[in-house]
Amino acid sequence: GDSVTQMEGPVTLSEEAFLTINCTYTATGYPSLFWYVQYPGEGLQLLLKATKADDKGSNKGFEATYRKETTSFHLEKGSVQVSDSAVYFCALRAGSYQLTFGKGTKLSVIP
Amino acid sequence: GAGVSQSPSNKVTEKGKDVELRCDPISGHTALYWYRQRLGQGLEFLIYFQGNSAPDKSGLPSDRFSAERTGESVSTLTIQRTQQEDSAVYLCASRKAGLAGLDTQYFGPGTRLTVL
Repeated sequence: GDSVTQMEGPVTLSEEAFLTINCTYTATGYPSLFWYVQYPGEGLQLLLKATKADDKGSNKGFEATYRKETTSFHLEKGSVQVSDSAVYFCALRAGSYQLTFGKGTKLSVIP
Repeated sequence: GAGVSQSPSNKVTEKGKDVELRCDPISGHTALYWYRQRLGQGLEFLIYFQGNSAPDKSGLPSDRFSAERTGESVSTLTIQRTQQEDSAVYLCASRKAGLAGLDTQYFGPGTRLTVL
């Protein structure tokens, strides 16, 4: 079946550090890929997405590129802020209405 | 506008009791999902409602779990004879109909269920 594997946290970074959260997937066909973010006390919200190979999703300074050859969709940000502290979920949708999520990675950014 | 709301935000219950969790989707969203998130785990799909179609119940872990939704409004998830392994955060999400809405689910803040 479909699955998503993302790096385990928690991840703690200093403000302005570079962020990478790894995500790899297994799916049949050509899935759409997503990063969702959950800020403290809030519901998950879509951060960015990519629907085909080599697409780059971007939002709020975050980027992720759909790499079919490595089945990856790593999340990056060049300079994190304290307000980026949250739990980040990688997910995929493979031809149906269901999303398959990774376990989430908690990011804490300290001043 | 208002987002997805869920109630209660926290629920503590004793093993063997029944619980009912509520989800109010965004107005106009025809599709509604329930997920479960156990500690340290990803989101597990439980059930999916789309308009008046028969729901996809393939993710419900046992017959103690059931969910209802009337039309495109409120949904309730009921867990009967709760067990300690039911302790988790239960998340509800809604989205618009059609291909354009397929990729963007709007999540509620969740209900944290603790079974003692």
